Amino acid sequence: NAGVTQTPKFQVLKTGQSMTLQCAQDMNHNSMYWYRQDPGMGLRLIYYSASEGTTDKGEVPNGYNVSRLNKREFSLRLESAAPSQTSVYFCASSGRGGTGYNSPLHFGNGTRLTVT
Amino acid sequence: QQQVKQSPQSLIVQKGGISIINCAYENTAFDYFPWYQQFPGKGPALLIAIRPDVSEKKEGRFTISFNKSAKQFSLHIMDSQPGDSATYFCAASMQGGKLIFGQGTELSVKP
Repeated sequence: NAGVTQTPKFQVLKTGQSMTLQCAQDMNHNSMYWYRQDPGMGLRLIYYSASEGTTDKGEVPNGYNVSRLNKREFSLRLESAAPSQTSVYFCASSGRGGTGYNSPLHFGNGTRLTVT
Repeated sequence: QQQVKQSPQSLIVQKGGISIINCAYENTAFDYFPWYQQFPGKGPALLIAIRPDVSEKKEGRFTISFNKSAKQFSLHIMDSQPGDSATYFCAASMQGGKLIFGQGTELSVKP
């Protein structure tokens, strides 16, 4: 049981380049999330998808777009990368009804992105 | 009102000691308070969680203490071990909504 799988694990981009971070979960979860982790800032929500076919902005959505391709897959796209987007990106998923005591958040192992 | 404030930012404890990490929140509608543990190069993983209708939850060496009136909750790690060295995040959410995370605490347990 793989859980939440993210690709790639590492990526280096030049300013202005674009890329898509891929995420897939095999737990039949309804909700999926993209977070970024920066030192001293904790985990900040970029976008989330409460269910297949819906997406909503989180705390820091500027410069990103997302696609909920199907129930399993949720991708994050950087259209024109900037050095401020250097971060570790985590995809996560949770069961029906969002995140709670009976539906904890499960994380992937992250994508480490550097923008030069 | 959506913030969760975590302290300290870093913590060094001797093996066998007690590690204590604190979090404070403002939104009284929060009804779920988990703690996540993250090892280097890995994603955060759920460690322990509590609902606001109990004041304490214990799982092995890990205990959450919850003070509803003070809007604070803390993680206590008893008999801390070098293998507990990791980054710890507190978080909160309400009614199945999005998790709001604290800033994280980097714990180092010295042998």
